[in-house]
Amino acid sequence: DAKTTQPTSMDCAEGRAANLPCNHSTISGNEYVYWYRQIHSQGPQYIIHGLKNNETNEMASLIITEDRKSSTLILPHATLRDTAVYYCIVVNQGGKLIFGQGTELSVKP
Amino acid sequence: KAGVTQTPRYLIKTRGQQVTLSCSPISGHRSVSWYQQTPGQGLQFLFEYFSETQRNKGNFPGRFSGRQFSNSRSEMNVSTLELGDSALYLCASRFRQENSPLHFGNGTRLTVT
Repeated sequence: DAKTTQPTSMDCAEGRAANLPCNHSTISGNEYVYWYRQIHSQGPQYIIHGLKNNETNEMASLIITEDRKSSTLILPHATLRDTAVYYCIVVNQGGKLIFGQGTELSVKP
Repeated sequence: KAGVTQTPRYLIKTRGQQVTLSCSPISGHRSVSWYQQTPGQGLQFLFEYFSETQRNKGNFPGRFSGRQFSNSRSEMNVSTLELGDSALYLCASRFRQENSPLHFGNGTRLTVT
């Protein structure tokens, strides 16, 4: 499975967009990019995933570069409840999820 | 729809004992995975079951085992507990094995003394 690189921590002002980057330069053609987040003492929560095209759902948007070597998770209007550790994971079909250390996002009032 | 349910929520055991953790997946989900989370190692994959068969396995010793029942419910067993087995054990389910999001429970917090 391809490895991912994320910043250790980021801050974001409440109400502003939070843009979380992820590098996955060794991604293969059949590997998907998944994003999860984990709030303290809870299990990881699925956010969004994609292969090539940009994706959007009620929680977030996922922008994947054309060469697929990096992606950005966008939380359009961050709230205090979005404070969490965000994990970017690359996985092939049927493969296991390998979690890295993630990005600790702090949303500040 | 009910989420992934793990029982018990907290557990305290003594070194050398064994423990069994239980997981009920989301209704209709046939794949169940188990993860161990510790402050030092983060989230580590243990194994995945699909239709009662183990399909993937992580790098854990044989003391860690699991099984899945015909109703997709799963159990994880750890024998001869060590202090280092203290962790949050997370179960996750998905509809099918290939390209399908995992949905996690809130875990069982195991403390080994």
